[in-house]
Amino acid sequence: GAVVSQHPSRVICKSGTSVKIECRSLDFQATTMFWYRQFPKQSLMLMATSNEGSKATYEQGVEKDKFLINHASLTLSTLTVTSAHPEDSSFYICSARVYGQGLSYEQYFGPGTRLTVT
Amino acid sequence: AQSVTQLGSHVSVSEGALVLLRCNYSSSVPPYLFWYVQYPNQGLQLLLKYTTGATLVKGINGFEAEFKKSETSFHLTKPSAHMSDAAEYFCAVSDPGTASKLTFGTGTRLQVTL
Repeated sequence: GAVVSQHPSRVICKSGTSVKIECRSLDFQATTMFWYRQFPKQSLMLMATSNEGSKATYEQGVEKDKFLINHASLTLSTLTVTSAHPEDSSFYICSARVYGQGLSYEQYFGPGTRLTVT
Repeated sequence: AQSVTQLGSHVSVSEGALVLLRCNYSSSVPPYLFWYVQYPNQGLQLLLKYTTGATLVKGINGFEAEFKKSETSFHLTKPSAHMSDAAEYFCAVSDPGTASKLTFGTGTRLQVTL
């Protein structure tokens, strides 16, 4: 149980275009999803916390107009990188927290999406 | 604010040898502590976690960790390394009061040699 998927697993786009990444909880409902980015050989940095039906909460230094997050249902959150530039190239990972466990402490992670902007 | 320090960005052990990956944390409140493993180009898999109760926590794949409050540590160990243990390991901490927002350490790459 507690499987999280991401789509696509890998995407290459041209500078200036937008790309959407999907994060789905496959066998559970997730009121909260988290979006991280990871640069090569570095740790995960939390970008934003996404709550179903409300606006995402962004971490300091993350441009909310550039990284659009939508959490329209209890099983799907999307991250759209708008007007992508080469410096946005990174590994994006989502995680989901199980619905109904209040301040549950455990997150389940997706397999990640490798974004390359040329 | 919380922080996590992982000493040693790279650790190499022989197959069959003891694995010890170090993690120290800084937190103003008793934290929840986690160890995750990441294989190349994959997401993170939870190895084990400490929330409350017994300070020695056993996880998957033979790993365990001990929460030592006096040392603010949560080191990860495995008695006998296997080639399949080669991966990146991340220690993470969360404040129980902030809805499981995780702060990660910088990671330790474990290499296992024959």
